[in-house]
Amino acid sequence: QTVVTQEPSFSVSPGGTVTLTCGLSSGSVSTTYYPSWYQQTPGQAPRTLMYNTDTRSSGVPDRFSGSILGNKAALTITGAQADDESDYYCVLYVGSGIFVFGTGTKVTVL
Amino acid sequence: EVQLLESGGGLVQPGGSLRLSCTVSGFTFSSHGMNWVRQAPGKGPEWVSGISNSGGGTYYADSVKGRFTISRDNSKNTLYLQMNSLRAEDAAVYYCAQSGYHYYYGMDVWGPGTTVTVSS
Repeated sequence: QTVVTQEPSFSVSPGGTVTLTCGLSSGSVSTTYYPSWYQQTPGQAPRTLMYNTDTRSSGVPDRFSGSILGNKAALTITGAQADDESDYYCVLYVGSGIFVFGTGTKVTVL
Repeated sequence: EVQLLESGGGLVQPGGSLRLSCTVSGFTFSSHGMNWVRQAPGKGPEWVSGISNSGGGTYYADSVKGRFTISRDNSKNTLYLQMNSLRAEDAAVYYCAQSGYHYYYGMDVWGPGTTVTVSS
């Protein structure tokens, strides 16, 4: 059973920077897991932000960036704005056609 | 513009069956893998199932394996999810999502979702 862990919540000031991480309960996340990131506001479908670790999806502003930090995937928001207040989920491809969602991080901008 | 629209959700009794559909437009359906993702009330999303662009490869989460079947009709630009032996824990909003350029890139464009309620 693969468990993908994320911080439950983060608070960031407008204009500030926050880095969300995505780890494995056992093992390290690398680019071979093709980490992707999704943003979701209540009542809405998820929106794709990032795929293949660090490639922004179409229309995603460049204040969002993806990377591998140590043994985790990371999503950094630089210059946070009020409408970045959302839930953020990472997804890892674990092979054999299977994906696993992370536990999600609630980001508050205040 | 890429668009996906799910349908077929509704109320079903435990043990019952339901078939979801996802009709797509704005891209070459037969060139992309597809996925179903669900989200129970108050919970995070859960990947349910995926299918390769040709339909030759199908993949399932352990939670639905043996009960759900994913399929596609590339001539109709439509993705399906046949759900059998439904349980209370299958109640969720079900989203279809287009795969990225490569299947393993994850989900790209999402539909608005359709709600499945499992209750007697």
